[in-house]
Amino acid sequence: EADIYQTPRYLVIGTGKKITLECSQTMGHDKMYWYQQDPGMELHLIHYSYGVNSTEKGDLSSESTVSRIRTEHFPLTLESARPSHTSQYLCASRDTSYEQYFGPGTRLTVT
Amino acid sequence: GNSVTQMEGPVTLSEEAFLTINCTYTATGYPSLFWYVQYPGEGLQLLLKATKADDKGSNKGFEATYRKETTSFHLEKGSVQVSDSAVYFCALSDQNYGQNFVFGPGTRLSVLP
Repeated sequence: EADIYQTPRYLVIGTGKKITLECSQTMGHDKMYWYQQDPGMELHLIHYSYGVNSTEKGDLSSESTVSRIRTEHFPLTLESARPSHTSQYLCASRDTSYEQYFGPGTRLTVT
Repeated sequence: GNSVTQMEGPVTLSEEAFLTINCTYTATGYPSLFWYVQYPGEGLQLLLKATKADDKGSNKGFEATYRKETTSFHLEKGSVQVSDSAVYFCALSDQNYGQNFVFGPGTRLSVLP
């Protein structure tokens, strides 16, 4: 059983607010990822990290930012939320056997 | 670049029917291949994996064989249940691609009683 957590699970927020989506894992994995999942189900990689103080942008351009100052923690921040940010956000981490473990996701709605 | 193609859904089957979801891939190296499943309101869970050619991954009655000659990793189950209703994602991880995953677009399966 994977131990990767995301909070909040659901968030409804107004336009212009700053939000942080939390992601934590207790498995000691160096590699962590953020995906945006659109209503059509497709996953888009928006950020990844290979370890502490390492962050990279993914395939899909995103206005969000991430940080990695501790191995277990990989939060995602939106400085000013917009309706176009409404989506499901999935966090994942990866072990040395290439398997990715996913959190339950945060469903964000920006009104 | 690397890519994964899956059969389009939704797929609707009756309980106990045979399931096949096709997956083909393009990769520059020798990828590992995965099937993930996403139940409503949840994140993705690993269903099965295969790390080299001719490997067969299996779990919960599902199986898939890594076919290098046809660059395919089709998911099969002999008798589906209502509880198998979910979205299924085929994915690859290629050491030559920074080890990041590439996911297919997902196939929604609905199983009717």
